Amino acid sequence: DVKVTQSSRYLVKRTGEKVFLECVQDMDHENMFWYRQDPGLGLRLIYFSYDVKMKEKGDIPEGYSVSREKKERFSLILESASTNQTSMYLCASKREFYEQYFGPGTRLTVT
Amino acid sequence: AQKITQTQPGMFVQEKEAVTLDCTYDTSDPSYGLFWYKQPSSGEMIFLIYQGSYDQQNATEGRYSLNFQKARKSANLVISASQLGDSAMYFCAMKAGGTSYGKLTFGQGTILTVHP
Repeated sequence: DVKVTQSSRYLVKRTGEKVFLECVQDMDHENMFWYRQDPGLGLRLIYFSYDVKMKEKGDIPEGYSVSREKKERFSLILESASTNQTSMYLCASKREFYEQYFGPGTRLTVT
Repeated sequence: AQKITQTQPGMFVQEKEAVTLDCTYDTSDPSYGLFWYKQPSSGEMIFLIYQGSYDQQNATEGRYSLNFQKARKSANLVISASQLGDSAMYFCAMKAGGTSYGKLTFGQGTILTVHP
């Protein structure tokens, strides 16, 4: 079974803090994605990566950055967390031509 | 740009009955794929079914079927014989063709509640 894990299920941070969300997949997938999920808006793509050290902006990259130093790990970074970044963050991975597999999500609250 | 619209914020169905969740899409790309995911209260997204734009037949997976009407740009999910465990949020999503690396555009979601 494909396994996508995220470092935390729940996270509470203060405004201005630097926040790291980690995602690890164990199936050697090339592509990895970070989404945020907000009520009434569905999932929106923040960043994705199609290879190690390669990344592309999604639809809402502002305020975020990413890092992919190893194939299995894709990190989402909030350089200076703000209250409008309070959300559910979902990581996903896939091989070409296949569906995306999602992690359990991290519910981040910024106070 | 791609767009997915789910116009039903919430749906209710009686156990053992069938239910249709609506999804319309918009894209100028002739090659695309349509997905349905289920998100239980636990939060994890579960892949249900896939339909390619060139597929001649509607996709089916067990109790799930996709009513694909290309001319109307709709890809409705039909769940037959609903079960209590089907209560969840359901998302329709689209993948454009070409070198999109499989990134998905999601709809707003529909919350399905199955009553006993």
